Amino acid sequence: GQQVMQIPQYQHVQEGEDFTTYCNSSTTLSNIQWYKQRPGGHPVFLIQLVKSGEVKKQKRLTFQFGEAKKNSSLHITATQTTDVGTYFCAGRSQRTYKYIFGTGTRLKVLA
Amino acid sequence: GAVVSQHPSRVICKSGTSVKIECRSLDFQATTMFWYRQFPKQSLMLMATSNEGSKATYEQGVEKDKFLINHASLTLSTLTVTSAHPEDSSFYICSAAGTGAFSNQPQHFGDGTRLSIL
Repeated sequence: GQQVMQIPQYQHVQEGEDFTTYCNSSTTLSNIQWYKQRPGGHPVFLIQLVKSGEVKKQKRLTFQFGEAKKNSSLHITATQTTDVGTYFCAGRSQRTYKYIFGTGTRLKVLA
Repeated sequence: GAVVSQHPSRVICKSGTSVKIECRSLDFQATTMFWYRQFPKQSLMLMATSNEGSKATYEQGVEKDKFLINHASLTLSTLTVTSAHPEDSSFYICSAAGTGAFSNQPQHFGDGTRLSIL
């Protein structure tokens, strides 16, 4: 079945450093979404990418969707302590329309 | 924006109890709702896809008789954990999404239900 892997699993950075998480799907996706989840909370929608090669920016966050629509990345520039949390990608299968979540990357930012 | 309401937010009950979790779309029609389960420090695992007016599609390894899903209207889906046991303790979360022409719209999550079985 469809699998969505994310690397790294954990990342500790000093405040001000950059951070990137990568998402790879075993199958082609119709779209991909990114979420942030704080401990004890529910996933909060960040962005959706639909087009092959699409790049979107939200302030310090840059999201990219691969040309083959099988991978994606989230890059945070100059991390802040408020960026702490687990970042998940969720890829929607072209065939089944189901969303499969990636394994997540837990980010810790050291002040 | 679109809102999905999930209730209850927290349940603590004895082993053997059946627990019903509701997921409502408040301002849009949700033809499809997804039910996920999340263990501590792990990702969200899709349990089943619920389509209005038809039977839910369960993921491999998810017991249909254990996790009963009903999607009787375009605004309500329910998940019933039958005869719950401690190993069913988890964070359950629903989301609502469109299909067909609306398949590229973001899914909207409820706040989740933390289920603890004693």
